[in-house]
Amino acid sequence: SAVISQKPSRDICQRGTSLTIQCQVDSQVTMMFWYRQQPGQSLTLIATANQGSEATYESGFVIDKFPISRPNLTFSTLTVSNMSPEDSSIYLCSVEGREAYNEQFFGPGTRLTVL
Amino acid sequence: AQSVTQLGSHVSVSEGALVLLRCNYSSSVPPYLFWYVQYPNQGLQLLLKYTSAATLVKGINGFEAEFKKSETSFHLTKPSAHMSDAAEYFCAVMRGNTGKLIFGQGTTLQVKP
Repeated sequence: SAVISQKPSRDICQRGTSLTIQCQVDSQVTMMFWYRQQPGQSLTLIATANQGSEATYESGFVIDKFPISRPNLTFSTLTVSNMSPEDSSIYLCSVEGREAYNEQFFGPGTRLTVL
Repeated sequence: AQSVTQLGSHVSVSEGALVLLRCNYSSSVPPYLFWYVQYPNQGLQLLLKYTSAATLVKGINGFEAEFKKSETSFHLTKPSAHMSDAAEYFCAVMRGNTGKLIFGQGTTLQVKP
């Protein structure tokens, strides 16, 4: 399995500010994914981050609110912009497995609280 | 469109009892199905996956799941619950071959002494 780290692990932010979350993988992967888990809820895919191309966003998520960077095959960032309390969630990145593309592994998540 | 439904948002069992967490899927193509576990304040850990090989899939920590096409189900079981199994469990289906996962609403498993 891939080893995935995320920074920060948690943060408390003021409304109107932005936070950038980093995701680092210990091996090169083609696809990285960003998910949101709102309090007491399941996970929802925000976008797919591919190296060398624009991120692909799911319905209900837009680039202006959640800009994503993917500068290389082991790293990605997700920015939560102009935050409001409704953005309080756990944000998780995931990557495909090394041996099977139909397998995904998740980072530990970033717990964001917006006041 | 593919979807996943987990029946029962909360399941409570006694330690040593059978664990059964239910998952039904909807898919027009042969699905890739997964069970993940999330312990408090942690990320998701893959328990097991179905990828069209054996219909009975064995995973980590003594869990297994059986793919039943006729019932469109992928229920998760464990013969004997341990206190350490208390967590949130998510069933997920992969959207085609895209790598994108669609998650069920999750089931909280409580294990009583």
